[in-house]
Amino acid sequence: EVQLVESGGGLVKPGGSLRLSCAASGFTFRNAYMAWVRQAPGKGLEWVGRIRDKTDGGATEYAAPVKGRISISRDDSKDILYLQINGLQTEDTAVYYCAIDHERISSTVVAPLQHWGQGTLVTVSS
Amino acid sequence: QTVVTQEPSLTVSPGGTVTLTCASSAGAVTSGYYPSWFQQKPGQAPRALIYSVNNKHSWTPARFSGSLLGDKAVLTLSGAQPEDEAEYYCLFYYGDSQVWVFGGGTKLTVL
Repeated sequence: EVQLVESGGGLVKPGGSLRLSCAASGFTFRNAYMAWVRQAPGKGLEWVGRIRDKTDGGATEYAAPVKGRISISRDDSKDILYLQINGLQTEDTAVYYCAIDHERISSTVVAPLQHWGQGTLVTVSS
Repeated sequence: QTVVTQEPSLTVSPGGTVTLTCASSAGAVTSGYYPSWFQQKPGQAPRALIYSVNNKHSWTPARFSGSLLGDKAVLTLSGAQPEDEAEYYCLFYYGDSQVWVFGGGTKLTVL
């Protein structure tokens, strides 16, 4: 069974930094593209970014609104995904979910974000 | 960034049929956007329902189906149940920037 467990959320002052973690189990983590998705209170879902697996160079892609302030990394020896957020702003207040970015079923069929963690809440406030 | 647009809210009667749509500011939605749909109930993580237009996960109830209609992606719920009351999000892939973009969500009320 796929399990994703996020941690590291909490209350942070504006301008601060935070690193979130996501412990993965139940699948071959090193072969998976992994993603972070966030949801501000009472708002919709926002895909934040992904990290590819090492065979694809571990490259990262980020959503435009957060590019430059976030960094996604992974430790395949520990099956842990990370999200580093710098220069936190009040609008970064959200529940942050980790997920398997996608599974390619065939050349024309892709299943994104099939499995999600329960999320960790980040509150940015003075 | 490209904007993905959904109806903010819809209401369906129990046992009724409702159609949710999802449009892209980039133009007509095609299968290359890998249109997908997610259901989220209050206090819960989202749950994937449909992927790549019309494919269901093993856990997706048969009453949900996906399609392309005109220039939009569509989620159809046939025979709505009270437990289907939730927020529904679509998701598109934009290959030029290699990012996923969610729609703003549709709050579905079964009443």
